[in-house]
Amino acid sequence: SQKIEQNSEALNIQEGKTATLTCNYTNYSPAYLQWYRQDPGRGPVFLLLIRENEKEKRKERLKVTFDTTLKQSLFHITASQPADSATYLCALDKNSGYSTLTFGKGTMLLVSP
Amino acid sequence: EAQVTQNPRYLITVTGKKLTVTCSQNMNHEYMSWYRQDPGLGLRQIYYSMNVEVTDKGDVPEGYKVSRKEKRNFPLILESPSPNQTSLYFCASSLSGRDRGYTFGSGTRLTVV
Repeated sequence: SQKIEQNSEALNIQEGKTATLTCNYTNYSPAYLQWYRQDPGRGPVFLLLIRENEKEKRKERLKVTFDTTLKQSLFHITASQPADSATYLCALDKNSGYSTLTFGKGTMLLVSP
Repeated sequence: EAQVTQNPRYLITVTGKKLTVTCSQNMNHEYMSWYRQDPGLGLRQIYYSMNVEVTDKGDVPEGYKVSRKEKRNFPLILESPSPNQTSLYFCASSLSGRDRGYTFGSGTRLTVV
């Protein structure tokens, strides 16, 4: 069956360190992979999109990698700040040609001062 | 301001009483989608729409209906709500689907008693 796996345990790091979150998937062949941030009780906010033929994408302090052989994406936040504390979701398209984004359950990141 | 607007923000209703959750976007987006979010289950897609009068089922469509008569609006209809539809609902829109990020609404917290 198709699965998107993100670490269910919260990631606790200190301010200034690099946070690395993992998204693994099985039985998908996504053409695109997206990362979102979600704060409690609020809608997800789009952060980055990476295509299957891209290995890495950067935006300010954020970096995403996409390894279609390993079926894995890594999401990095460098110089993390307490304001980065949130749940981070990865999402894949089903490569069906239509807009069917499927989300992982997310990983909570806690950045302490 | 570019946004997706959902109403109401909170709703408590009784089993069997038909209700509609409205969703409107002002970005001229082609794609719109409804998700529900439940603890431990993450975001699950209910229905999506690729354009006016074009809709399709997501992963959990049972008990829901949608319509897309105008590009900007995508209401979610619960004909006969049941307690298992108690959830946090999000509407989202995207310019062209899987190769663009989605903009989410603020959410509708529905309780069916």
